Amino acid sequence: DTAVSQTPKYLVTQMGNDKSIKCEQNLGHDTMYWYKQDSKKFLKIMFSYNNKELIINETVPNRFSPKSPDKAHLNLHINSLELGDSAVYFCASSQDAWAAGGKDTEAFFGQGTRLTVV
Amino acid sequence: QKEVEQNSGPLSVPEGAIASLNCTYSDRGSQSFFWYRQYSGKSPELIMFIYSNGDKEDGRFTAQLNKASQYVSLLIRDSQPSDSATYLCAVISFQGAQKLVFGQGTRLTINP
Repeated sequence: DTAVSQTPKYLVTQMGNDKSIKCEQNLGHDTMYWYKQDSKKFLKIMFSYNNKELIINETVPNRFSPKSPDKAHLNLHINSLELGDSAVYFCASSQDAWAAGGKDTEAFFGQGTRLTVV
Repeated sequence: QKEVEQNSGPLSVPEGAIASLNCTYSDRGSQSFFWYRQYSGKSPELIMFIYSNGDKEDGRFTAQLNKASQYVSLLIRDSQPSDSATYLCAVISFQGAQKLVFGQGTRLTINP
């Protein structure tokens, strides 16, 4: 059973299109995240939700809109895709938000979505 | 200054030797530190976490933390080819909103 699953695994699309990536976790965690990993493997936080509430929005263009219908799901919608959006996007979850510190802030990652904008 | 810095490598170590990976962080208030391993094309997975100064051992892995020097390291003893991966240091930072900040990762290659 996959703990954190995201779909699709690969996404190739043209500039200007709108696309969504879905994420679901079956670990019963309260906090979910979206990370972006660029071509240099640098992993950067984009958003964090705790119990469906947005707690972190890291200066991401407003073309990116996360949505959390319930605490097990966190989707990412991207409008007007640009070449620079090409990257691997990882969804992750943890039992506690980072403010709590401790082992329960361990983040479990999904398998990633490789987005290529052409 | 980056919040978490690592030498991006690549670091090459012969099989059976000790691999030493280093990380420094800028936020003195950070309390929680993690090492993740990422194989090529895969997602990061947690291998060690440490909160207290000193050493923490788990099998062939030892994490070392020195808060005064703002330095975290990971030692891998008896390195195996299967240890070849990118190792990501991560720190819960309190600069701005509390968040898990990753270094750029060190690519480690174990040579048979």
